[in-house]
Amino acid sequence: ETGVTQSPTHLIKTRGQQVTLRCSSQSGHNTVSWYQQALGQGPQFIFQYYREEENGRGNFPPRFSGLQFPNYSSELNVNALELDDSALYLCASSFQQGGGYTFGSGTRLTVV
Amino acid sequence: AQSVSQHNHHVILSEAASLELGCNYSYGGTVNLFWYVQYPGQHLQLLLKYFSGDPLVKGIKGFEAEFIKSKFSFNLRKPSVQWSDTAEYFCAVHAGSGNTGKLIFGQGTTLQVKP
Repeated sequence: ETGVTQSPTHLIKTRGQQVTLRCSSQSGHNTVSWYQQALGQGPQFIFQYYREEENGRGNFPPRFSGLQFPNYSSELNVNALELDDSALYLCASSFQQGGGYTFGSGTRLTVV
Repeated sequence: AQSVSQHNHHVILSEAASLELGCNYSYGGTVNLFWYVQYPGQHLQLLLKYFSGDPLVKGIKGFEAEFIKSKFSFNLRKPSVQWSDTAEYFCAVHAGSGNTGKLIFGQGTTLQVKP
């Protein structure tokens, strides 16, 4: 198992900028989800992709968008960054819905 | 609304003490339940999960959890904690069916074990 890998590990952006975070799913997994974890909080669901299509979304504005590629890797894009977007962004992959998700180590985004 | 509530935000125990972390969820459908652990500086790791069957599930590192459907609870237990159990613990519910669904997390419990 290769696990879930995310890049970059840390990132500092200025308010108003755009950012792209990347995730490589665990081998054999076809579902990828993204979560935002603010300091001292549990992860909050952003959205999920299954076979390259978004099939679930949490309470996040449209400036949060994503992609899943044929090899099941994924991107999270955030436009017009706000200070409150500062958080740890987690990617999780799974082979089947409802099954155990494997999480990556996350990308720590700081917006200044 | 779907939600997960963890009773304790911060727990401090001495080594060899017993641990029980409370978790209650609010969701009307069929649920899959999880406990994840996040050691300092590391990623979320699955401790254990419940899908169906025996409501008492055993996980890694001596942890277990009991699903009580009537109480909408899924409490985590360990008979004797070790200093290495110091970490953040998250209870989560998978809400949804088919190819949709999401994990709903509680706010987490920080466990500090004193040597």
